[in-house]
Amino acid sequence: SQELEQSPQSLIVQEGKNLTINCTSSKTLYGLYWYKQKYGEGLIFLMMLQKGGEEKSHEKITAKLDEKKQQSSLHITASQPSHAGIYLCGAYGSNYQLIWGAGTKLIIKP
Amino acid sequence: DTAVSQTPKYLVTQMGNDKSIKCEQNLGHDTMYWYKQDSKKFLKIMFSYNNKELIINETVPNRFSPKSPDKAHLNLHINSLELGDSAVYFCASSQAGGGFSYNSPLHFGNGTRLTVT
Repeated sequence: SQELEQSPQSLIVQEGKNLTINCTSSKTLYGLYWYKQKYGEGLIFLMMLQKGGEEKSHEKITAKLDEKKQQSSLHITASQPSHAGIYLCGAYGSNYQLIWGAGTKLIIKP
Repeated sequence: DTAVSQTPKYLVTQMGNDKSIKCEQNLGHDTMYWYKQDSKKFLKIMFSYNNKELIINETVPNRFSPKSPDKAHLNLHINSLELGDSAVYFCASSQAGGGFSYNSPLHFGNGTRLTVT
């Protein structure tokens, strides 16, 4: 069955530094979503990517979907404490079921 | 003005009890979901309803029974609770019809942390 692999599993970054989180599938992805989860809260929708090569930005967060539509990266520029949380990618696979990565835990050191 | 709200936020109960979690969305969405997030943070789909009709029912013990009185509500009832049921349960909704839509992200509630002792 198709799976989404996220890397790294966890990340500790000094405040102000840039970072990248990856989401990889062995098969083509359709409708790739990035979400953020804070402890005790639900998942907050960040961005959706659909087309190969697509790139979207929101404030200091940029997400890209590669041309083959098998990998997406989430890049945060000049990280802030408010960026801390768990980032999850979700996507529709070839069987039209929504699948999820295991999440990347991001800690920002002041 | 909460879009997807679920209650209670925390639920602590003993093995063997029956409990319910309620979910309501005010987004006018057609599809609602229940997800289970385990200790490793994996999100697993349990059920999906579209306009009050069950469209996804993953391999979930039949102790779990969803009920959708109308398309804005999807409640989850759990009978004979077991230790392994301890997890965070998330309700979500989307505009998707038929269970999926590439253009329709899910909107999640804040989760219900269930602890079975």
